[in-house]
Amino acid sequence: EPEVTQTPSHQVTQMGQEVILRCVPISNHLYFYWYRQILGQKVEFLVSFYNNEISEKSEIFDDQFSVERPDGSNFTLKIRSTKLEDSAMYFCASNPAQGAYSNQPQHFGDGTRLSIL
Amino acid sequence: GDSVTQMEGPVTLSEEAFLTINCTYTATGYPSLFWYVQYPGEGLQLLLKATKADDKGSNKGFEATYRKETTSFHLEKGSVQVSDSAVYFCALSDGGSQGNLIFGKGTKLSVKP
Repeated sequence: EPEVTQTPSHQVTQMGQEVILRCVPISNHLYFYWYRQILGQKVEFLVSFYNNEISEKSEIFDDQFSVERPDGSNFTLKIRSTKLEDSAMYFCASNPAQGAYSNQPQHFGDGTRLSIL
Repeated sequence: GDSVTQMEGPVTLSEEAFLTINCTYTATGYPSLFWYVQYPGEGLQLLLKATKADDKGSNKGFEATYRKETTSFHLEKGSVQVSDSAVYFCALSDGGSQGNLIFGKGTKLSVKP
Protein backbone atom coordinates (compact mmCIF):
# COMPACT_ATOMS: atom_id res chain seq x y z
CA GLU A 1 0.00 0.00 0.00
CA PRO A 2 1.35 3.47 -0.87
CA GLU A 3 2.73 5.41 2.05
CA VAL A 4 3.58 8.96 2.99
CA THR A 5 7.28 9.06 3.78
CA GLN A 6 9.05 11.64 5.90
CA THR A 7 12.73 12.39 6.34
CA PRO A 8 14.62 12.61 8.54
CA SER A 9 13.05 10.64 11.35
CA HIS A 10 14.88 12.77 13.91
CA GLN A 11 16.42 16.21 13.42
CA VAL A 12 18.50 18.00 16.04
CA THR A 13 19.14 21.69 15.39
CA GLN A 14 20.59 24.64 17.25
CA MET A 15 18.18 27.41 18.18
CA GLY A 16 18.12 30.10 15.53
CA GLN A 17 19.07 27.77 12.71
CA GLU A 18 16.92 27.01 9.71
CA VAL A 19 15.49 23.53 9.33
CA ILE A 20 13.72 21.82 6.44
CA LEU A 21 11.51 18.82 7.00
CA ARG A 22 10.78 16.69 3.99
CA CYS A 23 7.78 14.66 2.96
CA VAL A 24 6.88 12.58 -0.05
CA PRO A 25 3.08 12.34 -0.23
CA ILE A 26 1.26 9.50 -1.94
CA SER A 27 1.75 10.04 -5.64
CA ASN A 28 -1.81 10.62 -6.84
CA HIS A 29 -2.85 12.79 -3.89
CA LEU A 30 -3.52 16.48 -4.42
CA TYR A 31 -3.97 17.92 -0.90
CA PHE A 32 -1.09 18.06 1.54
CA TYR A 33 -0.89 18.96 5.20
CA TRP A 34 1.52 19.54 8.04
CA TYR A 35 0.62 18.90 11.66
CA ARG A 36 2.71 19.03 14.80
CA GLN A 37 2.54 17.35 18.18
CA ILE A 38 4.40 18.87 21.08
CA LEU A 39 5.35 16.16 23.56
CA GLY A 40 2.38 15.20 25.68
CA GLN A 41 -0.02 17.50 23.84
CA LYS A 42 -2.56 17.12 21.06
CA VAL A 43 -1.84 16.93 17.38
CA GLU A 44 -2.31 20.43 15.93
CA PHE A 45 -3.01 21.49 12.37
CA LEU A 46 -0.41 23.79 10.83
CA VAL A 47 -1.14 24.22 7.15
CA SER A 48 -2.86 22.73 4.13
CA PHE A 49 -1.61 23.03 0.57
CA TYR A 50 -3.32 22.55 -2.77
CA ASN A 51 -2.51 23.48 -6.34
CA ASN A 52 0.88 24.89 -5.35
CA GLU A 53 -0.40 27.30 -2.78
CA ILE A 54 -1.42 27.40 0.85
CA SER A 55 -5.14 26.71 1.27
CA GLU A 56 -5.42 27.29 4.97
CA LYS A 57 -3.10 27.87 7.89
CA SER A 58 -3.44 27.99 11.65
CA GLU A 59 -2.28 30.66 14.07
CA ILE A 60 0.79 28.55 14.77
CA PHE A 61 1.94 28.90 11.16
CA ASP A 62 3.53 32.34 11.44
CA ASP A 63 6.11 34.05 9.25
CA GLN A 64 8.85 31.72 10.46
CA PHE A 65 7.16 28.83 8.66
CA SER A 66 6.89 28.16 4.95
CA VAL A 67 5.92 25.25 2.77
CA GLU A 68 6.92 24.35 -0.71
CA ARG A 69 6.42 21.69 -3.32
CA PRO A 70 9.68 22.10 -5.19
CA ASP A 71 9.08 19.25 -7.62
CA GLY A 72 6.43 16.71 -8.43
CA SER A 73 7.04 14.54 -5.40
CA ASN A 74 8.41 16.42 -2.39
CA PHE A 75 6.51 18.61 0.05
CA THR A 76 8.67 20.53 2.51
CA LEU A 77 8.17 22.49 5.71
CA LYS A 78 10.79 25.12 6.47
CA ILE A 79 11.27 26.83 9.80
CA ARG A 80 13.44 29.86 9.19
CA SER A 81 14.82 30.57 12.65
CA THR A 82 14.01 27.81 15.08
CA LYS A 83 12.98 28.40 18.67
CA LEU A 84 13.01 26.04 21.61
CA GLU A 85 9.23 25.81 21.49
CA ASP A 86 9.40 24.43 17.94
CA SER A 87 10.57 21.13 19.40
CA ALA A 88 7.85 18.66 18.47
CA MET A 89 6.92 15.76 16.24
CA TYR A 90 5.93 17.03 12.81
CA PHE A 91 3.55 14.94 10.72
CA CYS A 92 2.95 15.25 7.02
CA ALA A 93 -0.33 14.00 5.57
CA SER A 94 -1.96 13.78 2.17
CA ASN A 95 -5.50 13.31 0.97
CA PRO A 96 -6.75 11.17 -1.91
CA ALA A 97 -7.12 12.67 -5.35
CA GLN A 98 -10.08 14.63 -6.67
CA GLY A 99 -10.32 17.00 -3.80
CA ALA A 100 -10.19 16.93 -0.01
CA TYR A 101 -13.72 15.86 0.78
CA SER A 102 -14.17 15.97 4.51
CA ASN A 103 -15.01 12.28 4.73
CA GLN A 104 -11.83 11.17 3.04
CA PRO A 105 -9.25 10.01 5.55
CA GLN A 106 -5.86 11.59 5.50
CA HIS A 107 -2.82 9.38 5.17
CA PHE A 108 -0.04 10.26 7.60
CA GLY A 109 3.69 9.76 7.56
CA ASP A 110 5.60 8.43 10.55
CA GLY A 111 6.67 11.92 11.54
CA THR A 112 9.92 13.80 12.07
CA ARG A 113 10.97 14.44 15.64
CA LEU A 114 12.50 17.91 15.76
CA SER A 115 14.66 18.75 18.76
CA ILE A 116 15.86 22.33 19.19
CA LEU A 117 18.84 22.81 21.48
CA GLY B 1 -14.32 26.85 17.19
CA ASP B 2 -14.58 23.14 16.64
CA SER B 3 -12.94 20.92 19.25
CA VAL B 4 -12.54 17.33 20.40
CA THR B 5 -12.34 16.14 23.98
CA GLN B 6 -11.04 12.71 24.91
CA MET B 7 -10.90 10.94 28.22
CA GLU B 8 -7.61 11.35 30.03
CA GLY B 9 -5.21 8.46 30.00
CA PRO B 10 -3.32 6.38 30.45
CA VAL B 11 -5.67 3.43 30.41
CA THR B 12 -4.29 0.10 31.59
CA LEU B 13 -6.25 -3.09 30.96
CA SER B 14 -5.69 -6.80 31.15
CA GLU B 15 -5.86 -8.85 27.98
CA GLU B 16 -9.43 -9.71 26.94
CA ALA B 17 -10.89 -6.84 28.94
CA PHE B 18 -13.54 -4.53 27.49
CA LEU B 19 -12.33 -1.15 26.27
CA THR B 20 -14.12 2.16 26.09
CA ILE B 21 -12.39 5.43 25.25
CA ASN B 22 -14.75 8.37 25.43
CA CYS B 23 -14.73 11.13 22.83
CA THR B 24 -17.03 14.11 22.55
CA TYR B 25 -16.91 16.92 20.06
CA THR B 26 -18.07 20.44 19.45
CA ALA B 27 -18.74 21.51 15.89
CA THR B 28 -20.85 24.09 14.15
CA GLY B 29 -21.43 22.06 11.01
CA TYR B 30 -21.71 18.38 10.22
CA PRO B 31 -18.26 16.95 10.74
CA SER B 32 -16.90 13.59 9.83
CA LEU B 33 -15.40 11.72 12.77
CA PHE B 34 -12.31 9.55 12.93
CA TRP B 35 -10.26 7.46 15.27
CA TYR B 36 -6.54 7.32 14.54
CA VAL B 37 -4.06 5.01 16.27
CA GLN B 38 -0.37 5.57 16.86
CA TYR B 39 1.65 2.47 17.70
CA PRO B 40 4.98 3.00 19.47
CA GLY B 41 7.52 4.56 17.14
CA GLU B 42 5.08 4.85 14.26
CA GLY B 43 2.91 7.49 12.63
CA LEU B 44 -0.83 8.02 12.74
CA GLN B 45 -2.97 5.35 11.13
CA LEU B 46 -6.65 5.63 10.44
CA LEU B 47 -8.51 3.09 12.56
CA LEU B 48 -12.11 3.85 11.62
CA LYS B 49 -14.39 6.64 10.53
CA ALA B 50 -18.03 7.75 10.39
CA THR B 51 -19.33 10.45 8.14
CA LYS B 52 -22.88 11.07 9.34
CA ALA B 53 -25.11 10.64 12.36
CA ASP B 54 -25.81 7.05 13.45
CA ASP B 55 -23.04 5.68 11.23
CA LYS B 56 -20.95 3.00 12.89
CA GLY B 57 -17.30 2.72 11.98
CA SER B 58 -15.54 -0.55 12.63
CA ASN B 59 -12.14 -2.11 12.06
CA LYS B 60 -9.97 -4.76 13.76
CA GLY B 61 -12.66 -5.40 16.37
CA PHE B 62 -12.95 -1.71 17.28
CA GLU B 63 -16.25 0.13 16.87
CA ALA B 64 -17.51 3.67 17.28
CA THR B 65 -20.95 5.13 16.60
CA TYR B 66 -21.54 8.73 15.54
CA ARG B 67 -24.06 10.05 18.06
CA LYS B 68 -25.28 13.48 17.09
CA GLU B 69 -27.64 13.82 20.04
CA THR B 70 -24.82 13.38 22.53
CA THR B 71 -22.07 14.73 20.21
CA SER B 72 -20.03 11.63 20.95
CA PHE B 73 -17.94 9.06 19.12
CA HIS B 74 -16.78 6.64 21.81
CA LEU B 75 -14.34 3.90 20.84
CA GLU B 76 -15.07 0.37 22.03
CA LYS B 77 -13.57 -3.08 21.75
CA GLY B 78 -14.95 -6.18 23.36
CA SER B 79 -11.67 -7.97 24.05
CA VAL B 80 -8.36 -6.14 23.87
CA GLN B 81 -5.02 -7.73 23.05
CA VAL B 82 -1.49 -6.79 24.03
CA SER B 83 -0.95 -5.70 20.42
CA ASP B 84 -3.63 -3.01 20.86
CA SER B 85 -1.30 -1.06 23.13
CA ALA B 86 -0.99 2.34 21.47
CA VAL B 87 -2.16 5.94 21.64
CA TYR B 88 -5.66 6.52 20.27
CA PHE B 89 -6.72 9.88 18.85
CA CYS B 90 -10.25 11.01 18.18
CA ALA B 91 -10.51 13.58 15.40
CA LEU B 92 -13.04 15.48 13.37
CA SER B 93 -12.93 17.02 9.96
CA ASP B 94 -14.67 20.33 9.97
CA GLY B 95 -16.44 19.78 6.69
CA GLY B 96 -14.55 22.48 4.89
CA SER B 97 -13.14 21.82 1.48
CA GLN B 98 -9.63 21.38 2.84
CA GLY B 99 -10.50 18.52 5.16
CA ASN B 100 -8.31 19.76 7.99
CA LEU B 101 -8.37 17.54 11.03
CA ILE B 102 -8.92 18.64 14.62
CA PHE B 103 -7.56 16.14 17.11
CA GLY B 104 -8.18 15.27 20.71
CA LYS B 105 -5.23 14.97 23.07
CA GLY B 106 -4.93 11.23 22.64
CA THR B 107 -5.42 8.37 25.09
CA LYS B 108 -2.61 5.96 25.79
CA LEU B 109 -3.74 2.36 26.16
CA SER B 110 -1.54 -0.28 27.74
CA VAL B 111 -2.73 -3.88 27.67
CA LYS B 112 -1.06 -6.31 30.06
CA PRO B 113 -0.92 -10.07 29.37
